[in-house]
Amino acid sequence: AAGVIQSPRHLIKEKRETATLKCYPIPRHDTVYWYQQGPGQDPQFLISFYEKMQSDKGSIPDRFSAQQFSDYHSELNMSSLELGDSALYFCASSLQNSYEQYFGPGTRLTVT
Amino acid sequence: AQSVTQLDSHVSVSEGTPVLLRCNYSSSYSPSLFWYVQHPNKGLQLLLKYTSAATLVKGINGFEAEFKKSETSFHLTKPSAHMSDAAEYFCVVSDEDNNDMRFGAGTRLTVKP
Repeated sequence: AAGVIQSPRHLIKEKRETATLKCYPIPRHDTVYWYQQGPGQDPQFLISFYEKMQSDKGSIPDRFSAQQFSDYHSELNMSSLELGDSALYFCASSLQNSYEQYFGPGTRLTVT
Repeated sequence: AQSVTQLDSHVSVSEGTPVLLRCNYSSSYSPSLFWYVQHPNKGLQLLLKYTSAATLVKGINGFEAEFKKSETSFHLTKPSAHMSDAAEYFCVVSDEDNNDMRFGAGTRLTVKP
């Protein structure tokens, strides 16, 4: 069965650069969630989207933005990268109002 | 590589009765283990975590879990279910630095009046 796809799997950027992470949900899933997990830390919820609209917002920095497109894939845009942005970024997808949420493998971002 | 298996995809209990959500893990080193809860349309919320300290871990909302190395288990329990406990629960295993977290498939908990 198809799973959540995240690309790229690994990304290395320098400080003050920008990065774009992509998430492709499971087919027919209309809701996407983004999480950030720093080294030695628990995952932190960033933001979620349903039907291209932001549905919930967590601890997402102002330097980050995200959107969901008509094909339900989502992109997390990160600008003015800082060393502290180095983390594993998870995407998850589900159907609206569903308990079943599926996680992608994550994108490891390293900022040097 | 580590992995977790949540033995039940769906658990249904009556309000006021005990809850048991089962999780077995596989890891080649001393793992960190977590339980997260997710309500519909909400992000993950950490219930509790084990990081090689006390084997019985107490979390929020009356939940607790016991790390049993001999059984490679980390089952989540609560003495008395509440309607608000109805949600999806994820067991997660991680390496020592929390750099590689693996999520279980999730267990949906239904609480009947």
